[in-house]
Amino acid sequence: ETGVTQSPTHLIKTRGQQVTLRCSSQSGHNTVSWYQQALGQGPQFIFQYYREEENGRGNFPPRFSGLQFPNYSSELNVNALELDDSALYLCASSLGPDGNQPQHFGDGTRLSIL
Amino acid sequence: RKEVEQDPGPFNVPEGATVAFNCTYSNSASQSFFWYRQDCRKEPKLLMSVYSSGNEDGRFTAQLNRASQYISLLIRDSKLSDSATYLCVVNSPDSSYKLIFGSGTRLLVRP
Repeated sequence: ETGVTQSPTHLIKTRGQQVTLRCSSQSGHNTVSWYQQALGQGPQFIFQYYREEENGRGNFPPRFSGLQFPNYSSELNVNALELDDSALYLCASSLGPDGNQPQHFGDGTRLSIL
Repeated sequence: RKEVEQDPGPFNVPEGATVAFNCTYSNSASQSFFWYRQDCRKEPKLLMSVYSSGNEDGRFTAQLNRASQYISLLIRDSKLSDSATYLCVVNSPDSSYKLIFGSGTRLLVRP
């Protein structure tokens, strides 16, 4: 069974740039959720994708956007990067969109904004 | 008030000790509860789901008290490898797909 994989592992960008982060879900999982984790905090929900559509969104501005592909992999795009966007970005996949389904996380992408 | 609150710790205990963490949540309509474990600079990993009747998995016991809106995690016979941050997680009742994480409780188990 292949787990959740994310790329890249680390990324350094400057303010105003754009970034795309990628996630491959665990085999058999059709739902992907993205989280932002700042240092010393728990992960904060960004949005979830199910059947290639955004299924729900947390309190993040529109410059955070995403996609899900037919193979259930997903991308997180962030435009006009700000210093506060520096964080660990985590992708989690699950068997379905229901909150009862445990979510399995990838290793994350550590994004630093200079 | 935060939606999910945890004591940040750290809890510093000797090997073999029993340690308990509590977590409180603000919305009484939440239905799903979990404990995740996160090692330093790693991803969160599901430790266990928390059921209304309480549940046990080896040295770990989770309890849910809906009336008081708190969740507990008990670790018996602590091992050095239990050192990590433990995240309390609750689903959002108005958006069931959304998981709300606490900031975590840090556990250090010393030899």
